[in-house]
Amino acid sequence: EDQVTQSPEALRLQEGESSSLNCSYTVSGLRGLFWYRQDPGKGPEFLFTLYSAGEEKEKERLKATLTKKESFLHITAPKPEDSATYLCAGGATNKLIFGTGTLLAVQP
Amino acid sequence: DGGITQSPKYLFRKEGQNVTLSCEQNLNHDAMYWYRQDPGQGLRLIYYSQIVNDFQKGDIAEGYSVSREKKESFPLTVTSAQKNPTAFYLCASSLQLLAELSYEQYFGPGTRLTVT
Repeated sequence: EDQVTQSPEALRLQEGESSSLNCSYTVSGLRGLFWYRQDPGKGPEFLFTLYSAGEEKEKERLKATLTKKESFLHITAPKPEDSATYLCAGGATNKLIFGTGTLLAVQP
Repeated sequence: DGGITQSPKYLFRKEGQNVTLSCEQNLNHDAMYWYRQDPGQGLRLIYYSQIVNDFQKGDIAEGYSVSREKKESFPLTVTSAQKNPTAFYLCASSLQLLAELSYEQYFGPGTRLTVT
């Protein structure tokens, strides 16, 4: 069965303390790996798409990487405004399979 | 600005009533989707549509219905047959829906439905 698992469930960081979020996937014939940011009560905001193992993409303090079994979202020197839930999704036939997310809190 | 709109933001209904959630996009996307989000669970796919006048059931379609009469619009009806309708509903769209490649999906702001 296709599955996406994110860890940790929650992460608390001090401002400037870099860390990584993990997304492990078992999706048959993965058709893309997607990262989203979701603020409370709002729809997910698209961040990155990765299609091939070894691929990396960056946006401001965020960098996403992909291997054959997992993806990482690296957060460098986070700020309080980076606090949100980060969702990972694997592309399967005709749909995306979402993980349950990592709730990130960055304290000043 | 291009984007996806959902209305209303909050919706309250009595048990046994059908309710329709609106979703409109002006991104010129072919594919549209409906998800529900519950605390502690990932987004779950209800229905999706690749083109006008065509739609397919997702993983949790029971108790829901959709229509796709226009490219821009994909309304979702939550019927009285849905046993646990209280949830946060999200509409999304993507450029296309291909078998061999997934495109990123863009989401609307969501509708929070409460049924009592």
